[in-house]
Amino acid sequence: AQSVTQLGSHVSVSEGALVLLRCNYSSSVPPYLFWYVQYPNQGLQLLLKYTSAATLVKGINGFEAEFKKSETSFHLTKPSAHMSDAAEYFCAAQTGANNLFFGTGTRLTVIP
Amino acid sequence: DSGVTQTPKHLITATGQRVTLRCSPRSGDLSVYWYQQSLDQGLQFLIQYYNGEERAKGNILERFSAQQFPDLHSELNLSSLELGDSALYFCASSVAASGRSREQYFGPGTRLTVT
Repeated sequence: AQSVTQLGSHVSVSEGALVLLRCNYSSSVPPYLFWYVQYPNQGLQLLLKYTSAATLVKGINGFEAEFKKSETSFHLTKPSAHMSDAAEYFCAAQTGANNLFFGTGTRLTVIP
Repeated sequence: DSGVTQTPKHLITATGQRVTLRCSPRSGDLSVYWYQQSLDQGLQFLIQYYNGEERAKGNILERFSAQQFPDLHSELNLSSLELGDSALYFCASSVAASGRSREQYFGPGTRLTVT
């Protein structure tokens, strides 16, 4: 069965610092991978997706993620955190079935 | 704005009752997915419909059911409600059931509170 692990339920960074949110998947077949962001009292917004075209994927709001098959990872990064990045971030995987398997989420706090 | 709409935004009801949550997918999307987000279970897939047909089932309780209508909107019916059913229920839509366009776009959710 597909599973997604997000290391660190809470991450705090200073404004302007690097953001690194970790995601590992378990699958013998590399799945499609996604990062979603959820702002308070809102739905999930797609940040970026990996669909095997390129291992480095750029998304919205300056985020990017790199797919590393050897590490079964798809970590999310942003060079410089902004206050508006404070939110909950979810990594998700999709394989043969179409539904998404979500990680448990990482709450990002940005310290001014 | 994802283009997916959900109503109502909030719902408060008592144990044992039945409620219906409604979702309208993005224009052109044929697939609708329902997810439940709770503190203890996280985000879980419930069920998927594609062009009116049930396509996949996840951790959906027997007390819950869904359908997709000819105009492609979907309804999630929750019956014999229990306190543990309190959660955020999200609807998502995508163009296809499978294939290249696999990203799902989420609605704002319906927050269900069972008292």
